[in-house]
Amino acid sequence: EAQVTQNPRYLITVTGKKLTVTCSQNMNHEYMSWYRQDPGLGLRQIYYSMNVEVTDKGDVPEGYKVSRKEKRNFPLILESPSPNQTSLYFCASRTGTGSFTEAFFGQGTRLTVV
Amino acid sequence: DQQVKQNSPSLSVQEGRISILNCDYTNSMFDYFLWYKKYPAEGPTFLISISSIKDKNEDGRFTVFLNKSAKHLSLHIVPSQPGDSAVYFCAASDSGGGADGLTFGKGTHLIIQP
Repeated sequence: EAQVTQNPRYLITVTGKKLTVTCSQNMNHEYMSWYRQDPGLGLRQIYYSMNVEVTDKGDVPEGYKVSRKEKRNFPLILESPSPNQTSLYFCASRTGTGSFTEAFFGQGTRLTVV
Repeated sequence: DQQVKQNSPSLSVQEGRISILNCDYTNSMFDYFLWYKKYPAEGPTFLISISSIKDKNEDGRFTVFLNKSAKHLSLHIVPSQPGDSAVYFCAASDSGGGADGLTFGKGTHLIIQP
């Protein structure tokens, strides 16, 4: 089954404690992205990657890091989480061939930073 | 500045009637538009898309209309069913912009009344 898998689904952590949210896709997609969803703000892109070892900032990258060492994985790293990073996070992937194609989203990770 | 706007946070429609969800955009470089549907505790799922070279795209009960001169698109659901109750996100992309990612609206919560 084609899917984007995020882990964990739920996470409560304390300010300053480094954490990683993993994302893996089994569709051999070139493009992967991270979004955060906040009430009244919709979905905003944090970082994206067009292929292995190619990453770039989205609209709200501050406080986040990413890496793309393998095509299937795109972890999101919070080196020093703060309460304003409490949010619902989604990883997405899409193929890069041809015209723009729709993105497939993971189930989401609800992060609470206290 | 919000480039994709969904001005109705919520919409209530009677089962069997037509649901019309609206979306406006400001960036004239956007050339591909998508609608995503999101249930609680799940990731967004792709619903329907339209390229800027078209003004209409239909898929079963779902039709998307694009008015480029007005920078407006709408999603029609006919007939509306209880399972259509969800949050609908309008998204746009500049496929030639060199960056990845979709710009999302804030979403419209559609409630189908029995």
